[in-house]
Amino acid sequence: NAGVTQTPKFQVLKTGQSMTLQCAQDMNHEYMSWYRQDPGMGLRLIHYSVGAGITDQGEVPNGYNVSRSTTEDFPLRLLSAAPSQTSVYFCASSYSTRLNTEAFFGQGTRLTVV
Amino acid sequence: RKEVEQDPGPFNVPEGATVAFNCTYSNSASQSFFWYRQDCRKEPKLLMSVYSSGNEDGRFTAQLNRASQYISLLIRDSKLSDSATYLCVVNTNAGKSTFGDGTTLTVKP
Repeated sequence: NAGVTQTPKFQVLKTGQSMTLQCAQDMNHEYMSWYRQDPGMGLRLIHYSVGAGITDQGEVPNGYNVSRSTTEDFPLRLLSAAPSQTSVYFCASSYSTRLNTEAFFGQGTRLTVV
Repeated sequence: RKEVEQDPGPFNVPEGATVAFNCTYSNSASQSFFWYRQDCRKEPKLLMSVYSSGNEDGRFTAQLNRASQYISLLIRDSKLSDSATYLCVVNTNAGKSTFGDGTTLTVKP
């Protein structure tokens, strides 16, 4: 079972470069989300989606774009990378957040912006 | 003030000890509550959901107090393998999940 797959696992970017972090899930989950985790801190919600075609901003959306054209995929785009975006990024999916359902996380992408 | 606040920790306990973590949340519209476990540099994984009536899973007991907006996790008979960071998570019905900063537990021989 693949679950939630994130790529790449590691990435180094130069300031000003753009890139897309990929996230795919094969569990037919409605809900997908992106988080960033900085050292010693919990996960902060960047963007989330409650279904294909629907996205919304989380706590720290600036500098990031998302789209949800299919149920399976939820890519995160960094428009112009900045050193402040150095972090570990996690994608997650769950069947629903209206029920007590488990969120499944990808293995994370460790991004360094120099 | 953060929406979800946890004990700052770290907690360092001997094997066999009982340890309790606390978490408070500020959004009264919160609908569901969880404890996740995160091992170093790994993704979080669900430890247990938290129900109003309280629930137990082996050595782990979770409690929810909606009136006080407070969640707790009790670990009995700590094992070395319990060493990890424990994250309190609160969901609203609108689909938004908010994580606490986590409490780090180290269980020592």
